[in-house]
Amino acid sequence: DTEVTQTPKHLVMGMTNKKSLKCEQHMGHRAMYWYKQKAKKPPELMFVYSYEKLSINESVPSRFSPECPNSSLLNLHLHALQPEDSALYLCASSQGSGGVNQPQHFGDGTRLSIL
Amino acid sequence: AQSVSQHNHHVILSEAASLELGCNYSYGGTVNLFWYVQYPGQHLQLLLKYFSGDPLVKGIKGFEAEFIKSKFSFNLRKPSVQWSDTAEYFCAVNRLGGNNRLAFGKGNQVVVIP
Repeated sequence: DTEVTQTPKHLVMGMTNKKSLKCEQHMGHRAMYWYKQKAKKPPELMFVYSYEKLSINESVPSRFSPECPNSSLLNLHLHALQPEDSALYLCASSQGSGGVNQPQHFGDGTRLSIL
Repeated sequence: AQSVSQHNHHVILSEAASLELGCNYSYGGTVNLFWYVQYPGQHLQLLLKYFSGDPLVKGIKGFEAEFIKSKFSFNLRKPSVQWSDTAEYFCAVNRLGGNNRLAFGKGNQVVVIP
């Protein structure tokens, strides 16, 4: 079992819906990440939060809006998504960012389908 | 641009065969190197990592990897695979001081036939 918990595991939504993905870790990690993974492809980094502040946005469309309420929680708010946004969304965490000994721990992901 | 290369995307082999997956990266400077495994329907799991020291790294489930700095390589090996090793394997690299931005290779889909 992973120590990074993501909910929901599956989500089907229409293009006009608003939904949120949630991620939680209790390992005391101070860096958290959102990735998007298409089938048979490697994860693609979307956002990085370091000490609850957004440090990297990989030119992600504004229909994806991240939020880090505290050091244990990371949300991804979704609005007006497109069918091509259907993918597995992975959350990860690590002890910090920028230094050595920082392996990322991944959650199971939320499988998102846009109708 | 950052680049991590994995070749032979699809690998099919029989149980007890040896496995070697290649990984090459294109950064200079100090890097951290990782191999992750993703079993069907499961999350990415860390197999092993290299930060410094002995370039031959032992990981979980009998896997090992060797860092060869002169070749910018970090190849993964297992002497004798099992059916349960069927999975996708990703090599990943980050640069020291690079905001822990992991660059993943395209992955190797490994299928072990009983």
